[in-house]
Amino acid sequence: QSALTQPPSASGSPGQSVTISCTGTSSDVGNYNFVSWYQQHPGKAPKLMIFEVTERPSGVPDRFSGSKSGNTASLTVSGLQAEDEAHYYCSSYAGSTSVIFGGGTKLTVL
Amino acid sequence: EVQLLESGGGLVQPGGSLRLSCAASGFTFSPFAMNWVRQVPGKGLEWVSGISVSGASTNYADSVKGRFTISRDNSKNTLSLQMSSLRAEDTAVYYCARDSYSTTRGAFDIWGQGTMVTVSS
Repeated sequence: QSALTQPPSASGSPGQSVTISCTGTSSDVGNYNFVSWYQQHPGKAPKLMIFEVTERPSGVPDRFSGSKSGNTASLTVSGLQAEDEAHYYCSSYAGSTSVIFGGGTKLTVL
Repeated sequence: EVQLLESGGGLVQPGGSLRLSCAASGFTFSPFAMNWVRQVPGKGLEWVSGISVSGASTNYADSVKGRFTISRDNSKNTLSLQMSSLRAEDTAVYYCARDSYSTTRGAFDIWGQGTMVTVSS
């Protein structure tokens, strides 16, 4: 299976909102509500930010939100802060207990 | 403290074998599916393998199927990945990750710090 498609980069100024897309197919994103988003700072392990398309784990700020339409999921970061600058990866359940990741998006806070 | 700690990484020649381990602490290990995810330095994440709570159900990415074997010991709170017939393209940081569910669904809420595997002659 091919990786989910994410834009390689995104950017926004402090306080602004930015949305990152994640496009899959009817076999993964479009077929299951098991889409997750991860934040990864350089040299660190990924951190779960969103699961089941829209759910936030405890401790994740409500500035982070997720959505899905058809085969495309999205992560929106509102009220951008300097510490939000990181790589973001989406993932989706793809059936038969397998998971597929997106290629990653580098978010820059200008 | 909730923690996953990987070990066993290192330098191995092409065609060789290596066994990674992941020790869980600070939480009840047995009710959660466990997974291995790898990342080539500077590149994206790739799911490698997952195992259900009992260990009866396992699955692998096509890129490692037939070469890697995942297993778990709930009595010792450990996850393992036996890697054989290693190739240069297996070179990556390997992360152990807990799924929020009893079977792999991709909501990896706890990650280890990673262990580097380098396949080179």
